[in-house]
Amino acid sequence: AQRVTQPEKLLSVFKGAPVELKCNYSYSGSPELFWYVQYSRQRLQLLLRHISRESIKGFTADLNKGETSFHLKKPFAQEEDSAMYYCALATTGNQFYFGTGTSLTVIP
Amino acid sequence: EAGVVQSPRYKIIEKKQPVAFWCNPISGHNTLYWYLQNLGQGPELLIRYENEEAVDDSQLPKDRFSAERLKGVDSTLKIQPAELGDSAVYLCASSLTGGKGNEQFFGPGTRLTVL
Repeated sequence: AQRVTQPEKLLSVFKGAPVELKCNYSYSGSPELFWYVQYSRQRLQLLLRHISRESIKGFTADLNKGETSFHLKKPFAQEEDSAMYYCALATTGNQFYFGTGTSLTVIP
Repeated sequence: EAGVVQSPRYKIIEKKQPVAFWCNPISGHNTLYWYLQNLGQGPELLIRYENEEAVDDSQLPKDRFSAERLKGVDSTLKIQPAELGDSAVYLCASSLTGGKGNEQFFGPGTRLTVL
């Protein structure tokens, strides 16, 4: 069963526009949710996790247990935000599931 | 610090040949992960080690895949024999511990092409 769903394979926005990358998960327990990012020619790296409740590079994500979502948002997109974004879920049993990823392109 | 080191970065082999990938995690990280990433997909966990113990290998195709982390530091993932469908990027990651909230640090990956 697909644990993490990212419905958008590709997403393009103009510089300065708001951006939202969607993530829905399927898990009945208490999840830990993450956003990982991969910039061009770089390694996959952690962007943020829901337990930290912090804003990283202007991005925020709120865990909505009712809608089982963990959407990533930024009010004003920048060109350097262009990258591949993966939503990930960790279960109580420490199993990890990644979504299929969303490729974000910020148009100058 | 170099971060997670993987070698080789690229490997091209013919089907039915064996292949091995090596990973050296960040110093002091007890937990090591091997992931498979197919084109256009997210990473899929193959195996997770806590020190030298494989604590989750439920997704490892054990008929042809094997892994070891003998001294609880570096690790090797082997495929024997390789099949065409094994062409993918193999990622190694490490974290301080295996707690579900812990950040995973990824290596650059090994891109395998099976001809």
